[in-house]
Amino acid sequence: GENVEQHPSTLSVQEGDSAVIKCTYSDSASNYFPWYKQELGKGPQLIIDIRSNVGEKKDQRIAVTLNKTAKHFSLHITETQPEDSAVYFCAAYKGTYKYIFGTGTRLKVLA
Amino acid sequence: DTEVTQTPKHLVMGMTNKKSLKCEQHMGHRAMYWYKQKAKKPPELMFVYSYEKLSINESVPSRFSPECPNSSLLNLHLHALQPEDSALYLCASSAGLAGNEQFFGPGTRLTVL
Repeated sequence: GENVEQHPSTLSVQEGDSAVIKCTYSDSASNYFPWYKQELGKGPQLIIDIRSNVGEKKDQRIAVTLNKTAKHFSLHITETQPEDSAVYFCAAYKGTYKYIFGTGTRLKVLA
Repeated sequence: DTEVTQTPKHLVMGMTNKKSLKCEQHMGHRAMYWYKQKAKKPPELMFVYSYEKLSINESVPSRFSPECPNSSLLNLHLHALQPEDSALYLCASSAGLAGNEQFFGPGTRLTVL
């Protein structure tokens, strides 16, 4: 069935360093790829997304890249700050109301 | 306004109780979702309403009963739950079937005793 693999499961970086989280999807019909940040006790917050006709998208310190051939997409956070510490989920969507989520990455930014 | 609101924030109920979770959005979104999230896991889809009609039921036990009274409101009625149903219940909405941003509410933390 459809699935999304996400790595790593945990990631610790020093404040100011970059963080990269990678996802691989299985269904080539997927055409929309959102990233969510979830802080403790809160709902997931959409932080950036990318559509299949775009290879890269950037919003300030956050960027997402998509390689459709390899079915990979990645989240890049530069100049990390303590408030970036959270769980990040990737997802893949192909138009059936079902967003297939990755397993999550717990990011810790060490001050 | 890109906000999805959920009430209550916390709920503790016994296995014989009946309670309801409520969700509201005023973004004009026509798709609304219920997810269940266990600790350290991704959200797990339960139900999807599209244009106020139930589109997806992910084989959820009948002790969970969804309702969509209008395009802005979504309820989840709970009855005879089990302790393993304790979780964070998330509501979300999106504009429709096309790949669109899905916005989540803050969730209801449910504990079943």
